[in-house]
Amino acid sequence: DQQVKQNSPSLSVQEGRISILNCDYTNSMFDYFLWYKKYPAEGPTFLISISSIKDKNEDGRFTVFLNKSAKHLSLHIVPSQPGDSAVYFCAASESSNTGKLIFGQGTTLQVKP
Amino acid sequence: EPEVTQTPSHQVTQMGQEVILRCVPISNHLYFYWYRQILGQKVEFLVSFYNNEISEKSEIFDDQFSVERPDGSNFTLKIRSTKLEDSAMYFCASSVGGLAQETQYFGPGTRLLVL
Repeated sequence: DQQVKQNSPSLSVQEGRISILNCDYTNSMFDYFLWYKKYPAEGPTFLISISSIKDKNEDGRFTVFLNKSAKHLSLHIVPSQPGDSAVYFCAASESSNTGKLIFGQGTTLQVKP
Repeated sequence: EPEVTQTPSHQVTQMGQEVILRCVPISNHLYFYWYRQILGQKVEFLVSFYNNEISEKSEIFDDQFSVERPDGSNFTLKIRSTKLEDSAMYFCASSVGGLAQETQYFGPGTRLLVL
């Protein structure tokens, strides 16, 4: 069941540059999307979210873009910092359900100083 | 800052044994969840719980699994007869409300190893 896909297992960028993490989904019933960050030995931490009625949401260095027609979302981190190095999970939810989150496989981001 | 806590951090058990994983959600949260992540795989939803009832459960959450809120603070996941394939990291999460827009806060996880 691959309803949410993150096709890039890893990404390496230089400090100060932009990091772009991508996510695709197949279920057209999804109407809320989230990004979580996970450090080793910790649980996922909420980063940013977007509702399907929007195409962009920004919070400081983090921006999420949603392209509903392509069923694609992306997370932009500008500028990237070494502390951003972590696993990033895309997740999706249907507002009609009980809060169940469907996660992608995750992308490991490494930001090099 | 309030956080979700989980105990134990690691649990090793023999196949066929029962295990109970414990979670203390954030105090004013009303919705509780269990997820698991098998090594190298994605985080998977197991169950959501509200008002002392299961709201939704996945296909993974079969009869060997059960959840309980035994008191006002703890939320537990019981696996009755563990199998090798139950080895995974188990995450508890909680949220104020059950809507998709309500942020779920995750605990640090319990790593379960079934031998």
